Amino acid sequence: QQQVRQSSQSLTVWEGETAILNCSYENSAFDYFPWYQQFPGEGPALLIAIRSVSDKKEDGRFTIFFNKREKNLSLHIKDSQPGDSATYFCAASASSGSWQLIFGSGTQLTVMP
Amino acid sequence: GPKVLQIPSHQIIDMGQMVTLNCDPVSNHLYFYWYKQILGQQMEFLVNFYNGKVMEKSKLFKDQFSVERPDGSYFTLKIQPTALEDSAVYFCASSSGWQDTQYFGPGTRLLVL
Repeated sequence: QQQVRQSSQSLTVWEGETAILNCSYENSAFDYFPWYQQFPGEGPALLIAIRSVSDKKEDGRFTIFFNKREKNLSLHIKDSQPGDSATYFCAASASSGSWQLIFGSGTQLTVMP
Repeated sequence: GPKVLQIPSHQIIDMGQMVTLNCDPVSNHLYFYWYKQILGQQMEFLVNFYNGKVMEKSKLFKDQFSVERPDGSYFTLKIQPTALEDSAVYFCASSSGWQDTQYFGPGTRLLVL
């Protein structure tokens, strides 16, 4: 049973479009949700994160929309660039004792020029 | 941003041998983690380590696995003996505090023959 699920294995958008990557989770105790960006041959790098007390977090072209009631969140990448082509991992953790990040299986984003 | 280094980047060994994966965490970080990623699958938590002790481990952290950070040097993951199913990319991460951002290294690609 996957605790963190990313609905799309891959997504292709055109340069300048908004890419929307979706994520859902099972465990109501999760309250911290980072998104990591990973390029081939590299480790994942934190892109943006949100805590469950918020429903939106924005950082430049990247925005997380969070719906606690529905247990889902999405990462919006505005004005997508070819350099944004990477794999994006949604992750979750619970502040009530657990130290581990639970990762989704990732969405491979391709931005076509 | 902060860099986590991992040595070696690739390792090929025969089943039954011992292997040590090395991680050089961010200098002032106190919390250390290992994650395992099998090709095409999500990254999965193995273990976290703080103040010289394993704080939490998953069911993937078999008895053949051990971690240590002697005298503030490398944070290591040792597998003895190795099995075919240990073939994966192993990512080290570190954070300055509990539930703080985890910074990941580029991974060590381990192939057990």
